[in-house]
Amino acid sequence: DGGITQSPKYLFRKEGQNVTLSCEQNLNHDAMYWYRQDPGQGLRLIYYSQIVNDFQKGDIAEGYSVSREKKESFPLTVTSAQKNPTAFYLCASTPFGFNQPQHFGDGTRLSIL
Amino acid sequence: GDSVTQMEGPVTLSEEAFLTINCTYTATGYPSLFWYVQYPGEGLQLLLKATKADDKGSNKGFEATYRKETTSFHLEKGSVQVSDSAVYFCALLNSGGGADGLTFGKGTHLIIQP
Repeated sequence: DGGITQSPKYLFRKEGQNVTLSCEQNLNHDAMYWYRQDPGQGLRLIYYSQIVNDFQKGDIAEGYSVSREKKESFPLTVTSAQKNPTAFYLCASTPFGFNQPQHFGDGTRLSIL
Repeated sequence: GDSVTQMEGPVTLSEEAFLTINCTYTATGYPSLFWYVQYPGEGLQLLLKATKADDKGSNKGFEATYRKETTSFHLEKGSVQVSDSAVYFCALLNSGGGADGLTFGKGTHLIIQP
């Protein structure tokens, strides 16, 4: 079955450490997205990518970085510059075209030790 | 900019009760509208969608009608079950192509008691 795989499901970070969250999709979707979810705040867009080797900042990109070297993969790095990284991170993808809904992975929960 | 406003939760109902979760939006142009559901510890699943005014999306007993005159997309279900307990998100995709993704409401936590 096609889908979006996020790993790991739970991740712990020490102060001053960078961590990378994985997102892989086998849906042959063109666009991929990273969202951050905090209690009571809904989902906020971190980065998105419409095609390979191209990506744009979303609303809360500071302290995060991404790459899009392959169509299937869109890893997110939470850098030490992100001072409040504890959150639930969701990856999504969508095929090319208007009015296409996004498909989501099961998320990664990041916590600070 | 675009925005989505949902009723605050949690919403607590008894099994077999009628459900309405209000959603209103502000957007330029003619957005597509979506409802997503999130079960504990999981990602979001698309529940239903509507792409133009007066469209009705439906799935698993849930319905929502795209009302352009009131800029609303309220979610309804005639008889809820305990298994419907989850967080529900209303979202819009701007008619400009939505390259920057969906705009979400803050979510409504629904609790169904047996």
